[in-house]
Amino acid sequence: SQQGEEDPQALSIQEGENATMNCSYKTSINNLQWYRQNSGRGLVHLILIRSNEREKHSGRLRVTLDTSKKSSSLLITASRAADTASYFCATDYMEYGNKLVFGAGTILRVKS
Amino acid sequence: AAGVIQSPRHLIKEKRETATLKCYPIPRHDTVYWYQQGPGQDPQFLISFYEKMQSDKGSIPDRFSAQQFSDYHSELNMSSLELGDSALYFCASSSDYSGGYTFGSGTRLTVV
Repeated sequence: SQQGEEDPQALSIQEGENATMNCSYKTSINNLQWYRQNSGRGLVHLILIRSNEREKHSGRLRVTLDTSKKSSSLLITASRAADTASYFCATDYMEYGNKLVFGAGTILRVKS
Repeated sequence: AAGVIQSPRHLIKEKRETATLKCYPIPRHDTVYWYQQGPGQDPQFLISFYEKMQSDKGSIPDRFSAQQFSDYHSELNMSSLELGDSALYFCASSSDYSGGYTFGSGTRLTVV
């Protein structure tokens, strides 16, 4: 990946449990975004957190950003089988203009 | 609300043929991006346009070219297709440098 690491690469949990995915990046960013992708389908924007924000919530999603560690985490609470998908973080790097650089993604499987 | 429209949704081409993918951004979005996502891979940035001018270029092969037209729609032209060009091609648009990307559903290109 051009950007860095996402971990875990794959995560399998039971319905109702929480899922945490982490993302690290390399240089200063304007913002960091999380996307969801069902198998072979389009990218769905979940949440955007700006470089001056530390935490953001959207429904069952909670995103944190630690610019000192160049890392972010996505927490999905009370997971559902329908949350099964791949989750990507993408960063808008200051030095790369405004294109998004994606991480390798985490494959989440929620078992019912 | 209008989204980013990509056409066609699916395309099957033979090796050495040419393919043209189209993208219609969200109205009043001034920047268009093209990404390529191979099987099991994260999306990779190809090229972007701001106000109809190429603004950034990523890992786009010389066999590929793109442009943005006066109505802001964009086309990605791929010639001398190779088996390795089989991928999902996403277009995204944004309105400013503060984030807010919207992705299209993608075009799945299969080269046989």
